[in-house]
Amino acid sequence: GAVVSQHPSRVICKSGTSVKIECRSLDFQATTMFWYRQFPKQSLMLMATSNEGSKATYEQGVEKDKFLINHASLTLSTLTVTSAHPEDSSFYICSAPTGMGPNSPLHFGNGTRLTVT
Amino acid sequence: AQTVTQSQPEMSVQEAETVTLSCTYDTSESDYYLFWYKQPPSRQMILVIRQEAYKQQNATENRFSVNFQKAAKSFSLKISDSQLGDAAMYFCAYRRETGTASKLTFGTGTRLQVTL
Repeated sequence: GAVVSQHPSRVICKSGTSVKIECRSLDFQATTMFWYRQFPKQSLMLMATSNEGSKATYEQGVEKDKFLINHASLTLSTLTVTSAHPEDSSFYICSAPTGMGPNSPLHFGNGTRLTVT
Repeated sequence: AQTVTQSQPEMSVQEAETVTLSCTYDTSESDYYLFWYKQPPSRQMILVIRQEAYKQQNATENRFSVNFQKAAKSFSLKISDSQLGDAAMYFCAYRRETGTASKLTFGTGTRLQVTL
């Protein structure tokens, strides 16, 4: 079945540094990928929609200059948390549809736990 | 904007018993998809069941079934013969039917505990 690989699974960084999270579709092409953030004991909140070859679409309230998204190929989207602060500590999950249609199944990565010290 | 509400933050069920998790949603659209996802401690999102809004018949997947009430905008999940492995966070989710693959909007989640 379709697999989405997310890396790293865990990362600890110091305040002020940047962290890059990768999301890869291993056996299908994904023109769109979705990036979610999940705080402890809370729901998944969509941060942005990554579009291959064009700019990402950010949800209201998400700082595009802080959360840089790049979708340079049909199998890879990256989320870079720039100048990270402790409040950015969270669980980040990517998701990708296997096709273009509205009925296309969505597959999730295993998530990245970011801790900013 | 679409919203998804899960009014039960936590539920508990005894092994082998049946439990129902509630979900309501708000939308002005007539065509859409509804889902239940399970998130165990590993944090991996696992699709449990899905329902197309245009289908009147309730979806079933082995021990999992839904009660879809479109007019009431209600979408509950019934787990029969509960097992210890069913313990997890359960999220109800909504997805628009558009021309292209669209995002999921999640509810706040229900933590299910399964006891012996």
